[in-house]
Amino acid sequence: GAGVSQSPSNKVTEKGKDVELRCDPISGHTALYWYRQSLGQGLEFLIYFQGNSAPDKSGLPSDRFSAERTGGSVSTLTIQRTQQEDSAVYLCASSWGKDWYSTDTQYFGPGTRLTVL
Amino acid sequence: QKEVEQNSGPLSVPEGAIASLNCTYSDRGSQSFFWYRQYSGKSPELIMFIYSNGDKEDGRFTAQLNKASQYVSLLIRDSQPSDSATYLCAVTGGTSYGKLTFGQGTILTVHP
Repeated sequence: GAGVSQSPSNKVTEKGKDVELRCDPISGHTALYWYRQSLGQGLEFLIYFQGNSAPDKSGLPSDRFSAERTGGSVSTLTIQRTQQEDSAVYLCASSWGKDWYSTDTQYFGPGTRLTVL
Repeated sequence: QKEVEQNSGPLSVPEGAIASLNCTYSDRGSQSFFWYRQYSGKSPELIMFIYSNGDKEDGRFTAQLNKASQYVSLLIRDSQPSDSATYLCAVTGGTSYGKLTFGQGTILTVHP
């Protein structure tokens, strides 16, 4: 079946502009995650959606970052007033979101490479 | 102290050798442990997961978990040049409910 898809694959923007990144999870997956990977940095958690529960926003680095998930499926990560330090690869992942005591494997999309000039 | 630490690498092994990748974690409440492989310019792909103490084998890969020592490792037997990649250790559970907390990764190079 289809994996996690993300768009655009690349985005170049000017400092101060807003950007929207999109993620389509694997069909049937109830959990959706956003991470980012900066050059030389590890994978950093941003936000997590599980079903209809309130999202875990604990990883968002500033209030310029927000995300929503519509209809329990597609998610959009919005970065307002982009800064150069926002340049990174933004990765989306999804999982079944079942009992987390089991191995709820996260499957990653191809990522969106964001460059802020 | 970082929540998840991996041996710094880079690690270079000859083709056919065993590559050993190590990871320690600080949250004793961590429940599940994952190894992802990431090729340059690509997204992480899952190799193995483990959540019980002991060894878990899958083909050429063996994951080992020791919760008392807060240690998880990945052994790659008969290493191939195609195994050359960055290997990421990730944990979930405890204070990292749901989300994965990643180590910084270990770069592995398998030379012919």
